[in-house]
Amino acid sequence: SQKIEQNSEALNIQEGKTATLTCNYTNYSPAYLQWYRQDPGRGPVFLLLIRENEKEKRKERLKVTFDTTLKQSLFHITASQPADSATYLCALDMITGKLIFGQGTTLQVKP
Amino acid sequence: IAGITQAPTSQILAAGRRMTLRCTQDMRHNAMYWYRQDLGLGLRLIHYSNTAGTTGKGEVPDGYSVSRANTDDFPLTLASAVPSQTSVYFCASKTEMTGADGYTFGSGTRLTVV
Repeated sequence: SQKIEQNSEALNIQEGKTATLTCNYTNYSPAYLQWYRQDPGRGPVFLLLIRENEKEKRKERLKVTFDTTLKQSLFHITASQPADSATYLCALDMITGKLIFGQGTTLQVKP
Repeated sequence: IAGITQAPTSQILAAGRRMTLRCTQDMRHNAMYWYRQDLGLGLRLIHYSNTAGTTGKGEVPDGYSVSRANTDDFPLTLASAVPSQTSVYFCASKTEMTGADGYTFGSGTRLTVV
């Protein structure tokens, strides 16, 4: 069956450390993989998109990797801050334009 | 208006009643979407529209209908609400359906069907 898996347990880290979130998928062949941030009571906000032929993408303190052999994406936040605390969603796009979302991982950055 | 506006913000609705959730965008995006978000199930696609005048069914379309009379508006209608439609509803858009860019989401409508 098709699945997208993100760690359902909250990730707690200390301010200044690097947060690493994982997105694994099975039986999908996405053309793109996207990451979103969602704060409580708000809609998701687009962060980064990485194509199937790209290994890594960076934007400021954010880095995304995409391994189509392992069927996995890693999302890194370097020098994390309490303001980075939120739920982070990964989403697959099979080039149909209809995103399939994971359930998200909640990140808590402690000062 | 900047981005996507959804209305109402929240609503308590009696089962069996009809309700329309409104979604308006001012970015001239061609593609628009409706998702529902439930604890433990994540975001699931209800309906989508590639461009004005066309709509399609997503993963969970039963009990919902949409229309796309123009580029800016994409209302979602519950013809006869049931308690299982209690959820948070998000409208989203992007420039083109198959483009390599992200969605812009609205702030959501929290609907409780009693």
